[in-house]
Amino acid sequence: AQSVTQLDSQVPVFEEAPVELRCNYSSSVSVYLFWYVQYPNQGLQLLLKYLSGSTLVKGINGFEAEFNKSQTSFHLRKPSVHISDTAEYFCAVTHGRSGGYQKVTFGTGTKLQVIP
Amino acid sequence: DADVTQTPRNRITKTGKRIMLECSQTKGHDRMYWYRQDPGLGLRLIYYSFDVKDINKGEISDGYSVSRQAQAKFSLSLESAIPNQTALYFCATSDFSGGIVDTQYFGPGTRLTVL
Repeated sequence: AQSVTQLDSQVPVFEEAPVELRCNYSSSVSVYLFWYVQYPNQGLQLLLKYLSGSTLVKGINGFEAEFNKSQTSFHLRKPSVHISDTAEYFCAVTHGRSGGYQKVTFGTGTKLQVIP
Repeated sequence: DADVTQTPRNRITKTGKRIMLECSQTKGHDRMYWYRQDPGLGLRLIYYSFDVKDINKGEISDGYSVSRQAQAKFSLSLESAIPNQTALYFCATSDFSGGIVDTQYFGPGTRLTVL
């Protein structure tokens, strides 16, 4: 079984400050990890994904995430946030079995509020 | 134009009514999904379809049915809506083209309120 935990339901941060959104996962096998962003009144948009290789993954809009297998974490970071980053962020995990249905488990989301 | 579209975007209905939510995609993907999103619960899978003849239940299919009319169209129906089906509904697509992992692409969502 796989699970995802996003401990912070809301994260307020001042504009131009750095931010880290935390994601921890649980799985007995290898996993593949995603971060999605949901802007107000919109669907989920893929920010970045970790499949293999370098543990530091760069995504769109200046976001990056680091896969840490020993700590089973995939935290999302941005060095300097903008008002436009105000949104809800979802971490997701899958086992990625070849061919068949790949169950994707989503976290409960973290609302990032950027304060002017 | 959006790759994944959903209609309607908002719907208010009454308990007991039949409701259909529609999803269309121009991405050419074979795989399509319906999720519902509730505050504090993340996204939960209702149904998924790998092609027109392949439809499967997800985690929370009770009270819902689907129809895959074509590769590009996947509809979700609530035969007799109830208030606890009030939620945000998302359609998604993916294209497993022999790689390791599906990546899902989401529509803008339909906000459904059942009174």
